[in-house]
Amino acid sequence: SSELTQDPAVSVALGQTVTITCRGDSLRTYAANWYQQKPGQAPILVVFGNNLRPSGIPDRFSGSSSGNTASLTIDGAQAEDDADYYCNSRDTTYSHVLFGGGTRLTVL
Amino acid sequence: QGQLEQSGAEVKEPGASVSVSCKASKSAFINSYLHWVRQAPGQGLEWLGWVNCNSGDTAVAQKLQDRITLTRDTSTNTVFMELTRLRSDDTALYHCTRDFRNVAFKDWGQGTMVIV
Repeated sequence: SSELTQDPAVSVALGQTVTITCRGDSLRTYAANWYQQKPGQAPILVVFGNNLRPSGIPDRFSGSSSGNTASLTIDGAQAEDDADYYCNSRDTTYSHVLFGGGTRLTVL
Repeated sequence: QGQLEQSGAEVKEPGASVSVSCKASKSAFINSYLHWVRQAPGQGLEWLGWVNCNSGDTAVAQKLQDRITLTRDTSTNTVFMELTRLRSDDTALYHCTRDFRNVAFKDWGQGTMVIV
């Protein structure tokens, strides 16, 4: 088994670009997915397969991955992007799933 | 009406068991893996396990493997999560969610609050 590590908190000025990272051995093999969660709501998938966006997700959200690190970038952060962000992937056994601890993004 | 509809909130004594159901639309059930994810108050997301809705095969998180059972009923397109020997740290919002592609979860149930 393994784990996914995220920075607990990140802040960004309104309109600026921010990158949230997720690190783990499983990311060398398996793709990362990213979720946005606001208080009292279920998570929303914003990026899957490292760099694909579901329909309806603004194109300011993008993802990338290299080695053991996956990244979620918000290009031109908006006030409504203020939320918690989680990464997930399969673990090294393939059959189990990992979630990162989450990153609290504050848009200033 | 969402694709995944969960049963209502539960309040249980420590040591008791709880069963949470998740009824899926036919399209969300067939050929799907349905997963369970929980979130304790103020905490992050924790993966609990999955059910292959076709075969009934399951996989569960190692830390819960002696207390959690996942099943499905193909006649009602429903999956069930049973958690036994409940403890206070099992207090959480429990979600079922469908594997969209390689454990990317796009559809989520509304959540079931379990209070121990």
